[in-house]
Amino acid sequence: KAGVTQTPRYLIKTRGQQVTLSCSPISGHRSVSWYQQTPGQGLQFLFEYFSETQRNKGNFPGRFSGRQFSNSRSEMNVSTLELGDSALYLCASSSGQGVGNTIYFGEGSWLTVV
Amino acid sequence: TQLLEQSPQFLSIQEGENLTVYCNSSSVFSSLQWYRQEPGEGPVLLVTVVTGGEVKKLKRLTFQFGDARKDSSLHITAAQPGDTGLYLCAGDGYGNKLVFGAGTILRVKS
Repeated sequence: KAGVTQTPRYLIKTRGQQVTLSCSPISGHRSVSWYQQTPGQGLQFLFEYFSETQRNKGNFPGRFSGRQFSNSRSEMNVSTLELGDSALYLCASSSGQGVGNTIYFGEGSWLTVV
Repeated sequence: TQLLEQSPQFLSIQEGENLTVYCNSSSVFSSLQWYRQEPGEGPVLLVTVVTGGEVKKLKRLTFQFGDARKDSSLHITAAQPGDTGLYLCAGDGYGNKLVFGAGTILRVKS
């Protein structure tokens, strides 16, 4: 079955702009999580959506937001971009239920802020 | 706050050598996952361990979950250049929030 699909793969934005990243989870998966990966901080949890509701949130400022649609596809938005937002943004999909349910990652969206 | 300490941070070894990567926490996790990530790609799941004391084998890789579900290890036997990559452990925190270790960069030289 198809994996987690993220678009775009690469993008360059200017400080102050906003960006929207998209994620299509594995068919049948209702949970979508977003992570930020940087060399200095590693992988950090942004938020998780399950059945269109935000179920969990990490410690990121309000400039980072997301949403999930009825078909489980998800988008995350970063407003007023800062240089420090340059990172690999990873989307992860799972069934969202039960202990140890497997979480699959997409290839990520590389964001560079200049 | 749940934290996972992963060690070592870097490993550079010759082909054929064995190695172990450790992942430790003061917190209990309901499950722990190991991922391998190559440059420019997303993490790829290697294994999920759920039961304290569980041992899982994946070809030359052996994964162990501590009895108290606070620590885990990854052992690679007879490493090969194809094993080169970033290895990440991740604990299943509240809900589907994964808590990641800092990662171990493994380089296997031929």
